[in-house]
Amino acid sequence: QVQLVESGGGLVKPGGSLRLSCVASGFAFSDYYMGWIRQAPGKGLEWVSYIDGTATIIYYTDSIKGRFTISRDNAKNSLYLQMNSLRAEDTAVYSCARAPRGFSDYWGQGTLVTVSS
Amino acid sequence: DIQMTQSPSTLSASVRDRVTITCRASQSISRWLAWYQQKPGKAPNLLISDASRLESGVPSRFSGSGSGTEFTLTISSLQPDDFATYYCQQYNSYPYTFGQGTKLEFK
Repeated sequence: QVQLVESGGGLVKPGGSLRLSCVASGFAFSDYYMGWIRQAPGKGLEWVSYIDGTATIIYYTDSIKGRFTISRDNAKNSLYLQMNSLRAEDTAVYSCARAPRGFSDYWGQGTLVTVSS
Repeated sequence: DIQMTQSPSTLSASVRDRVTITCRASQSISRWLAWYQQKPGKAPNLLISDASRLESGVPSRFSGSGSGTEFTLTISSLQPDDFATYYCQQYNSYPYTFGQGTKLEFK
């Protein structure tokens, strides 16, 4: 069955960096678009970034452009999100999701990123 | 960016009620709309894609309709397991955007 397992979250000071990872299993990872979606505590869902199967097509939401970088390693069935220059407003649960045509048909449980001094 | 507005934000209902949630887009998104259900502490679950295509395993009491800028999610007969928060999401153009959510609660 499809599984997505995130890791790498934690507490970081403003201006700091974190790298999130997502390991996928149960499907042909390289065939799928993948994305990161976040949810601030008590808030709604926000698309963060999106990458196609060959890492040729990449999109970022405006609020993280220039600070976050999405990447993937198809040999390791893994998706990454490098987050730099973190701000308090980046505090959220970050989930990776399989996104076959823009919607997300499978989600991980997420990893919490807390940005606080 | 395309803005997605859901109404109502909160909906109080009882078991066996028929409920409808509306999602409006700030510009036409054709039928590129998905609906998700989220329960506290859990990842969202995809219910409907392409505005009206029911995902495998989703009960038939859920249905979606609409095109262009106005969409609805209908639950024909509420069950106890349906009390959750529901989100719409457009995938017509980047950045993909979600509605703010509709919390369905017990009356």
